[in-house]
Parts: sequence; structure tokens; C-alpha cells
Amino acid sequence: QKEVEQNSGPLSVPEGAIASLNCTYSDRGSQSFFWYRQYSGKSPELIMFIYSNGDKEDGRFTAQLNKASQYVSLLIRDSQPSDSATYLCAVNDYKLSFGAGTTVTVRA
Amino acid sequence: SQTIHQWPATLVQPVGSPLSLECTVEGTSNPNLYWYRQAAGRGLQLLFYSVGIGQISSEVPQNLSASRPQDRQFILSSKKLLLSDSGFYLCAWTGGVNAYNEQFFGPGTRLTVL
Repeated sequence: QKEVEQNSGPLSVPEGAIASLNCTYSDRGSQSFFWYRQYSGKSPELIMFIYSNGDKEDGRFTAQLNKASQYVSLLIRDSQPSDSATYLCAVNDYKLSFGAGTTVTVRA
Repeated sequence: SQTIHQWPATLVQPVGSPLSLECTVEGTSNPNLYWYRQAAGRGLQLLFYSVGIGQISSEVPQNLSASRPQDRQFILSSKKLLLSDSGFYLCAWTGGVNAYNEQFFGPGTRLTVL
């Protein structure tokens, strides 16, 4: 079973700040990486995916991947109260392996 | 566009009763289908996945089973529910076995076993 570890949280940030979420994975051969957002009581929704080393930006979200360090992160810029949710990191090698999630609370 | 449906949305069942949860996908053909369970405050646990009709792989041995009678239909079943079966059951699909394919989740079924 591939291991995916996320910083345990919860993470509380003021509105407008940057939220930084971290994830490490055990399988050096992993190829693709996903970030899901899950609101309380709802199913996970895909917000970002990244395959190549470096940064990938989509609106206020930036995913960063460093395969040598087996590390993937998600930055949320200009955090809004609507960003309050649990963020799940997932590693895909034909099946998704999920981390336990980091709960983010954005304080207005 | 693709859509994934699950029903029922919520379910309360007594211990020892049977279970049948259904998942269907629209707008795609030959998807890979997955069943996950999320216990309260916990991460996602992969239960079963299927790459085609009648093809089921089990990830966790337990009293649950899965079937795929049609290309875009995936069913999760149990003959006798346990208290520990309570949780949020999620069906997901992806477009193939390519490691880069994104996986999308249905709305989920919240099961409470009393």
C-alpha cells in the first residue's frame, strides 16, 4: 500500500492570507498527483492535478511538485472563507492512494 | 459531459440487514469504476475497483461485495450489515487505466447502521 502523508492540521489562516498544504508520498515511481477539496458532508471535488516537477497555477491555487524529494504541495492565495474545507492529497498509479486530509479554516 | 449518480443519498439500516448501493455514470463508455468508504473523520478507503463488466478487484476483505452488471453501472452489496459498515460511500470513475487520468466522485451515500 502506497503511503501518502499530509500535515495533520487543522490549519487556520486569516482571510486574504496564503494557506500552504504539504504532502509526501512513499513510492518514488508515482507519476501523477491530485488535490481534492471536500466540504463537510460532501464528496471530494478535484481542484488541481500535476504531473511534472515544478509549479502549476490555476487561479488562486498553485500546486508544486518535487519528485526527487517526493513532495507535493498546494498553495491557496488570497484565502477566502469559502476555501474552508478538508484538502485531500492523492497519488495515482492506476489506483488513487489518499492522504488523511488537512482541514483548513479561513477566518473572516 | 460526464455525470456520476449514486443512490440512495442517505440510508439507515439495522445490523444484519442487506445492503445495495448503486452507482451509474453517464456520458462515457468503458470507465474504470471505484467504491470508497470514508468513516467519520477519517480518510478514504478503497474497497473495490472495476476495469470492465464483470471484472471486480477487492482491496479490503470484508463482508461487502461489488458487481458490475453493465458498462456504466457499479453496485455495492452486503448480505448482513455490521455496525462498522457505517460511513460515507463514494463511487468514482476515471476514463481508463492511464496513470494520468483524473478520478471524479459521485455525490455519495451516507450509511448509518444501527
